Amino acid sequence: SAVISQKPSRDICQRGTSLTIQCQVDSQVTMMFWYRQQPGQSLTLIATANQGSEATYESGFVIDKFPISRPNLTFSTLTVSNMSPEDSSIYLCSAYGQGNIQYFGAGTRLSVL
Amino acid sequence: KQEVTQIPAALSVPEGENLVLNCSFTDSAIYNLQWFRQDPGKGLTSLLLIQSSQREQTSGRLNASLDKSSGRSTLYIAASQPGDSATYLCAVNQGGSEKLVFGKGTKLTVNP
Repeated sequence: SAVISQKPSRDICQRGTSLTIQCQVDSQVTMMFWYRQQPGQSLTLIATANQGSEATYESGFVIDKFPISRPNLTFSTLTVSNMSPEDSSIYLCSAYGQGNIQYFGAGTRLSVL
Repeated sequence: KQEVTQIPAALSVPEGENLVLNCSFTDSAIYNLQWFRQDPGKGLTSLLLIQSSQREQTSGRLNASLDKSSGRSTLYIAASQPGDSATYLCAVNQGGSEKLVFGKGTKLTVNP
């Protein structure tokens, strides 16, 4: 299995500010994934982060709003930029472990006032 | 575009009951299907993974089945316990892609 640590676990932010979420995996992984879970909704993939290349964003998500870093094979960050109340969600990172099982961090619960 | 639907959205049962959660998907060209459990503040925990070539997987009191041709999966929980209370999510991995597409989940409450 893979253990994924994510921080912060929660935050309350003001409109117009930015928040960077960190994700650490206990083993080297090729791809890391960032998901958003809006209230009452399913998880939606924001982007896939590969080490050494730019992240690949899903339709509806752009780099200016959600810049991602992937400096090495165990770490990634997601920044939520210029936040508005609509960005209030749970943000989760994940990675594949053995047997094609995807493992998730505990999530970051973001509230934007 | 793959869409995943879970029914029911919420379920409340007394302790000891056997229950079935349903998941359907629109595109049968999947690589595998995973069932997850989500507890508040604890992220997602993988329960069972079924490869597209498999029909079912079992782990303890949990049994997941897959009928790829009809686009359906079920999660069977035997002898439910209050500790099983959580939201259960179904997700499919599309063939040729690393991405998971999730349903909205079924919120299960098991009453003592």
